[in-house]
Amino acid sequence: DTGVSQNPRHKITKRGQNVTFRCDPISEHNRLYWYRQTLGQGPEFLTYFQNEAQLEKSRLLSDRFSAERPKGSFSTLEIQRTEQGDSAMYLCATVMGQGGIEETQYFGPGTRLLVL
Amino acid sequence: AQSVTQLGSHVSVSEGALVLLRCNYSSSVPPYLFWYVQYPNQGLQLLLKYTSAATLVKGINGFEAEFKKSETSFHLTKPSAHMSDAAEYFCAVNGAGNNRKLIWGLGTSLAVNP
Repeated sequence: DTGVSQNPRHKITKRGQNVTFRCDPISEHNRLYWYRQTLGQGPEFLTYFQNEAQLEKSRLLSDRFSAERPKGSFSTLEIQRTEQGDSAMYLCATVMGQGGIEETQYFGPGTRLLVL
Repeated sequence: AQSVTQLGSHVSVSEGALVLLRCNYSSSVPPYLFWYVQYPNQGLQLLLKYTSAATLVKGINGFEAEFKKSETSFHLTKPSAHMSDAAEYFCAVNGAGNNRKLIWGLGTSLAVNP
């Protein structure tokens, strides 16, 4: 257990429905990343926050995806009008963020989404 | 551009045998390199990282990796495999931008046979 929690752990939904995932970081970790991982692939960067500011979004993140981090603590990732191609593991990682590129990213257990 | 190539999507070893998982990188900036392990239905856990200090890096669970700039490699080794080492292993390199995101390989699935 890294101290990063994600909820729910599993989500099954029907195509067209909206889903929201939550990530609770390690306390005082000011950088937070969202990644997506499909079977047989490594994680792909989606977006990241420095405190409450969303500083970068990947081109993978279509307009149906939105992420927030109010107050710089927990973060939510919402997918609107889900499609079957959204089925994946969604991973959250947090970093203490003192400035070094080499700082370790601590991952949560992930939320596995299945869109039927 | 940053990229990572992991040779061998599946590796199978006998218990007690040497584990060697290969990782080659491409980087336009001095690289920081990471190995993570992922057990079934779990998140990613850091095994070890190279941050431009010692080229031989020791990690958890008896794993180590050696950074070889001339070969652009960062292979992961363990002298003696244990059944509990069976998992997916990912190599990653830092992104070149200020976002410090990680660029990941496709992973290597390690099976340990009794």
